[in-house]
Amino acid sequence: KAGVTQTPRYLIKTRGQQVTLSCSPISGHRSVSWYQQTPGQGLQFLFEYFSETQRNKGNFPGRFSGRQFSNSRSEMNVSTLELGDSALYLCASSLSGEITEAFFGQGTRLTVV
Amino acid sequence: AQSVTQLDSQVPVFEEAPVELRCNYSSSVSVYLFWYVQYPNQGLQLLLKYLSGSTLVKGINGFEAEFNKSQTSFHLRKPSVHISDTAEYFCAVSRMDSSYKLIFGSGTRLLVRP
Repeated sequence: KAGVTQTPRYLIKTRGQQVTLSCSPISGHRSVSWYQQTPGQGLQFLFEYFSETQRNKGNFPGRFSGRQFSNSRSEMNVSTLELGDSALYLCASSLSGEITEAFFGQGTRLTVV
Repeated sequence: AQSVTQLDSQVPVFEEAPVELRCNYSSSVSVYLFWYVQYPNQGLQLLLKYLSGSTLVKGINGFEAEFNKSQTSFHLRKPSVHISDTAEYFCAVSRMDSSYKLIFGSGTRLLVRP
């Protein structure tokens, strides 16, 4: 059974650009959550999608957005990139959104220069 | 609100020695408790979780943790560590009444020396 797949694994972008990250959940899972990991702020919850709807959102500016498709794959978009957006972005998938049953992907390392 | 404190940012230990990584939490509501491990440039792997029942939880790779409600602690232990246990370890909580997200501690780097 394939795990959670995040693409790309590594990304370098310039300040002011925008970026889109992708997360393919485990087959059958309908919920995808996103987390940001930085040395300064640690691991923080961004948002959670279930059946193409954003159900929960963390405390991040509007530059951070996401969506989920009918096949449960999710994308996360960051517009007008800042140096502070450099981070490891992790997604987790679960059947129904219960974090007790979630599995994490390998992450996407975003570097903003 | 919930918060998680991992008291040690780094724990050096010799191979085959026992280790304890400390975790304390604060919450006004009941929570689930988790320990995750992260190897360099990798995602998070669940070591173990406490949902209910026995306060001693056994996980993968020989790790175990004990939930202590009175001390609001969930310390992780391993009786004999290996070089391959060198990694970052994160303690996390999730509200029982709204378990859609994890709140993480700042992490403890376990460094196992030969």
